[in-house]
Amino acid sequence: EDKVVQSPLSLVVHEGDTVTLNCSYEVTNFRSLLWYKQEKKAPTFLFMLTSSGIEKKSGRLSSILDKKELFSILNITATQTGDSAIYLCAVFSGTYKYIFGTGTRLKVLA
Amino acid sequence: GAVVSQHPSWVICKSGTSVKIECRSLDFQATTMFWYRQFPKQSLMLMATSNEGSKATYEQGVEKDKFLINHASLTLSTLTVTSAHPEDSSFYICSARESSWTGELFFGEGSRLTVL
Repeated sequence: EDKVVQSPLSLVVHEGDTVTLNCSYEVTNFRSLLWYKQEKKAPTFLFMLTSSGIEKKSGRLSSILDKKELFSILNITATQTGDSAIYLCAVFSGTYKYIFGTGTRLKVLA
Repeated sequence: GAVVSQHPSWVICKSGTSVKIECRSLDFQATTMFWYRQFPKQSLMLMATSNEGSKATYEQGVEKDKFLINHASLTLSTLTVTSAHPEDSSFYICSARESSWTGELFFGEGSRLTVL
């Protein structure tokens, strides 16, 4: 059965800290891995990763995929209170479904 | 990125009534749309996959007669919660995928349903 596991489930840090969120997966016919940020409403898109070893970066956020070890990480540097959210990892598989992890709930304290 | 519009953003209804939620892709054609349900502090649970012009594919445990999904055009899918009950109260989110093999997925704003 396809599955996506995120860790940690929750995390509390102080502003300025750097955090690393993890996403591991076991899916049939991997196509892509996506990261989303969810605040109060629907998730907003952060990154889509398809190739191993190529870092994607947007401001203080970056992500990389390891297709051999079947995981991805999302890094946030110099965290701010506005980074507080649930971060979701999803894998798009060969069955044309998106399998979501349980999410990591990040809280950044001022 | 592409825009997916979902309406209504919130709705309150009485038990036994039906509620329709619309999901539109505004600037792209979505051959496939997905409907998710999210309980508080939990992740997204896939309810069904909706393909334009064909019947939706429901996930195990989701009642297709209760959650009617119609995908009549490349830009519109609807979810109708029939004979709603308080246990149907939840956050429903639609998403749409452009026709690409890698599958970047775009979400609507979500609809919060409260059944009294």
